Amino acid sequence: QSALTQPASVSGSPGQSITISCTGTSSDVGGYNYVSWYQQHPGKAPKLMIYDVFNRPSGVSNRFSGSKSGNTASLTISGLQTEDEADYYCSSYTSSSTLVFGGGTKLTVL
Amino acid sequence: EVQLVQSGAEVKKPGESLKISCEGSGYTFTISWIGWVRQMPGKGLEWMGSIYPGDSDTRYSPSFQGQVTISADKSISTAYLQWSSLKASDTAMYYCARGRVFWRDFDYWGQGTLVTVSS
Repeated sequence: QSALTQPASVSGSPGQSITISCTGTSSDVGGYNYVSWYQQHPGKAPKLMIYDVFNRPSGVSNRFSGSKSGNTASLTISGLQTEDEADYYCSSYTSSSTLVFGGGTKLTVL
Repeated sequence: EVQLVQSGAEVKKPGESLKISCEGSGYTFTISWIGWVRQMPGKGLEWMGSIYPGDSDTRYSPSFQGQVTISADKSISTAYLQWSSLKASDTAMYYCARGRVFWRDFDYWGQGTLVTVSS
């Protein structure tokens, strides 16, 4: 099972919006609405930000939103804040009943 | 409050065995899957496998099948990840995490256990 494809890095200025893409196949992202997004700050454990494509766990800011079109899912962060600077990972359930992660995207808030 | 507390950092030699643990509290341990996720130095997250402590049903990533063993002791709300013969390439941070629904995603994570394998 190959990792999902994410851009290595994205950047934005405070207050702006950015979008991180996550591309898979019809056997994972495209086949199920089970895409999740995680935020990981350096030296910390990952934190669930989005599940089932667009749902936010309790306590996650509504500045974070998720969507999907075909085999590509996206995470959008609006009103960028300095504390959003972190690594972001997508994941998807697969047709083999496994879980696959993306390679990760480093978000820099300039 | 849901918590997953992992065992401490380990330094081992190639060929040695190791078992690390993850103790859950603040929820019913037997009714949520527990997953293990590897993060090699400077790299991304990799799902290794998950276990359902209620009946020890276990699923492995094909990449890790046969390389590690995942187990659980529901009487003490603890999941385990073990190796019979470590390699230098097993050096990584290992996280346990609670499955929100099966192992589709993880809503609570342990603090991580750093395993260093070096001669």
